[in-house]
Formats: sequence, C-alpha cells, structure tokens
Amino acid sequence: ELKVEQNPLFLSMQEGKNYTIYCNYSTTSDRLYWYRQDPGKSLESLFVLLSNGAVKQEGRLMASLDTKARLSTLHITAAVHDLSATYFCAAEIQGAQKLVFGQGTRLTINP
Amino acid sequence: EAGVTQSPTHLIKTRGQQATLRCSPISGHTSVYWYQQALGLGLQFLLWYDEGEERNRGNFPPRFSGRQFPNYSSELNVNALELEDSALYLCASSLMGSQPQHFGDGTRLSIL
Repeated sequence: ELKVEQNPLFLSMQEGKNYTIYCNYSTTSDRLYWYRQDPGKSLESLFVLLSNGAVKQEGRLMASLDTKARLSTLHITAAVHDLSATYFCAAEIQGAQKLVFGQGTRLTINP
Repeated sequence: EAGVTQSPTHLIKTRGQQATLRCSPISGHTSVYWYQQALGLGLQFLLWYDEGEERNRGNFPPRFSGRQFPNYSSELNVNALELEDSALYLCASSLMGSQPQHFGDGTRLSIL
C-alpha cells in the first residue's frame, strides 16, 4: 500500500528565509505532484514531476524528485507572505489514476 | 476556460439522510475523481469515473456511490449519513490517462 508522508506538518518562517518541505513515499511511484491549498479553497496544481531527477521551478518555489530515494522536496526561496498556505504532495499509484496525498504542510510566513 | 464546478457549496443534513453532490468537469475532460477531506484524516481518494464507468474505488463503504453521465458530469451519493461523513468533498477532472487532476472548490457537507 502506497503511503505518503510529509514533514514538517507545520512551518512558521520569516519573510526572506529559505526552507524545504520533504515528501517521502513508501512504494514505487514515478509521478509526484505538488498542490497548494488556501484556507477554505480548493487545491491548485503547482508541479508535476514525472521522472527521476526532475526539477521544476516557478517563482520562489522549486520542486525535485528522487525516485530511488522515494523523496520529493519543495524548496522555498526568500519566502514572501503570499506563499502562506497548506502544501500537499501526492504520489500516483501506477495505472490506477489514484492520488495518495501526504498530510499537508501548513506554511505560515511572517513579515 | 471554465474550471471544475461543484454544487452545492454547502450542504447540511442530519444522520440517516441521503446527500447528492454534483460535479461538472473541465470541458474535454473525461475523467472525474472524488476525494474526501475530513478533519484529521487528510485527503482520501473516493472514486474515479471515466467514460461513464467506475474505474477505481477507495476504501469507503458501499453507501458512498456515484455515477458519471454522458456529458461527463458526475454525482456522488452518500446514503445513511453518519456524523463522520462531515467533510469537504472535492471533485477533480483530467483527460483520461493524464495528469494533473484539476480540482473544484468542493462541497462542504455537514451532518448534524
């Protein structure tokens, strides 16, 4: 059974700082997704990582995938307040079109 | 391009009642997925429909069911509602065999 674990679950940081959210998954999965959720809102797709060594960047966010280590990271560079949200990673069960989500990381960025 | 739309936004029911939630996918998307986001349990996969057929099902009891219509819209039905069914129900759509899934704003179901 595929399990996905994120850490940390809560992260409070200051503007301008860098930090990394980690996403580990338990069995083979070649596709990893990152979503953002604002309070009371739906999930917004951030990144789709489809192969080992994949790296994608959008603004201050960068995601990477290491399928051998079963690890994905979401790196935040020089954080700004409007990045405050809950971030979810999700791994796909191959062939099942089923996403298994991590618990989510609630990120709060303080001025 | 219109996104995934869900209705109603909020739904209040009592124990034992039945609830129907609706979802319209992005135009051109044939796959619809349902997820439950309950407090303390995170996001859990419920159902996947494609081309009118149920393709996969999560670990939920049979009182959670649904269907997909010829226009690819979908309904989620929850029978014999229990207090623990209170959650945000999210619908997502995608092209068949494609990712990512695009999510709607959800229906918040409250059971009194």
